[in-house]
Amino acid sequence: RKEVEQDPGPFNVPEGATVAFNCTYSNSASQSFFWYRQDCRKEPKLLMSVYSSGNEDGRFTAQLNRASQYISLLIRDSKLSDSATYLCVVNEATSGTYKYIFGTGTRLKVLA
Amino acid sequence: DADVTQTPRNRITKTGKRIMLECSQTKGHDRMYWYRQDPGLGLRLIYYSFDVKDINKGEISDGYSVSRQAQAKFSLSLESAIPNQTALYFCATSQPGIYEQYFGPGTRLTVT
Repeated sequence: RKEVEQDPGPFNVPEGATVAFNCTYSNSASQSFFWYRQDCRKEPKLLMSVYSSGNEDGRFTAQLNRASQYISLLIRDSKLSDSATYLCVVNEATSGTYKYIFGTGTRLKVLA
Repeated sequence: DADVTQTPRNRITKTGKRIMLECSQTKGHDRMYWYRQDPGLGLRLIYYSFDVKDINKGEISDGYSVSRQAQAKFSLSLESAIPNQTALYFCATSQPGIYEQYFGPGTRLTVT
């Protein structure tokens, strides 16, 4: 089983739709979780961190389910500009070490 | 101006050649990383450095070496390039205790 798994998509949705992606992780001791956004052939950029209680940033909501070992990203009222690949990132590091695991990404296309 | 820069942005080289990819940052961050990205495999860590005197191997360090010349500079070398090192290479930086990573624009390397 991969350490971090994502559905590669693409998810094709019309403008204004709500879309959700999940990401599963294998290490139950994982410390922290993030969603990054990557536009085609560009560098990844942090979209949001994922907190245990869930968090929201405008149209974006991230949630963590430790019991089932997955995180989710919900995008409401999709815009054309939301078209990108969304990378799930899991930090397995303990103190003094570094272990960020990147998922392969879920591709979103928002259609006019 | 970009906070994290990479040179060159594109490079085509032949098998067996030595090549160096350079990364510079003006963010004042202590931590720097080199990743490669391949289709379907996501971002994989090659090397990382927590400060100027600290160098650590990542997941896929074989065939690569690095040099941390200063806090702001971290270079990646391929001693003898081979075709399966064809990939998109990213440099990233972060600060201790802050999980967000800031990526450079990437270097697209092709080994023929």
